Amino acid sequence: DTGVSQDPRHKITKRGQNVTFRCDPISEHNRLYWYRQTLGQGPEFLTYFQNEAQLEKSRLLSDRFSAERPKGSFSTLEIQRTEQGDSAMYLCASSRQGEQFWETQYFGPGTRLLVL
Amino acid sequence: KQEVTQIPAALSVPEGENLVLNCSFTDSAIYNLQWFRQDPGKGLTSLLLIQSSQREQTSGRLNASLDKSSGRSTLYIAASQPGDSATYLCAVDSKAAGNKLTFGGGTRVLVKP
Repeated sequence: DTGVSQDPRHKITKRGQNVTFRCDPISEHNRLYWYRQTLGQGPEFLTYFQNEAQLEKSRLLSDRFSAERPKGSFSTLEIQRTEQGDSAMYLCASSRQGEQFWETQYFGPGTRLLVL
Repeated sequence: KQEVTQIPAALSVPEGENLVLNCSFTDSAIYNLQWFRQDPGKGLTSLLLIQSSQREQTSGRLNASLDKSSGRSTLYIAASQPGDSATYLCAVDSKAAGNKLTFGGGTRVLVKP
């Protein structure tokens, strides 16, 4: 069990460029979550997957954002035409949902995005 | 809509003093509540998870209580150490939010040697 990994750890881009982040969950975790955290705030939910199905998207996730989880393994989060307001830490988490109990979400180290 | 609040936003204590961190939430219909630690520029480390049916959880020097009816949780850290300096976040998994965590803004803790 190597934990949740995210790549890249840091990304600097110019406004208007597209960026893509990757998250590798803990193996056999069927749920995968994306959160966004701005400086001095707690993380805010963006979207989550159960296996390969994207079950919910936050209103924070504008049309410029898209997330995928092909084959229910790793996930990618793409931001098109980045804006300065997209600058934040993007956190990925995974969990194993049992039948009755809600399991702990394990977080990755995050990808810090700076849009110039 | 579930809202989570953590007060104070920042706390400074001398080494050895006990830490008391507060978390309040508006909707008591929760599945569980988690406390996380976050070091600057890093991801989140889960400290304790309290199921809705439980009243407290303990791990080493950490103890977290949950009072669903009043919408409150408290994280106690005994005999604080400089290595405890970090931001502590609480998050609830609630029926209203449905399968995702709602976080408080965090309490930034500094333990002075």
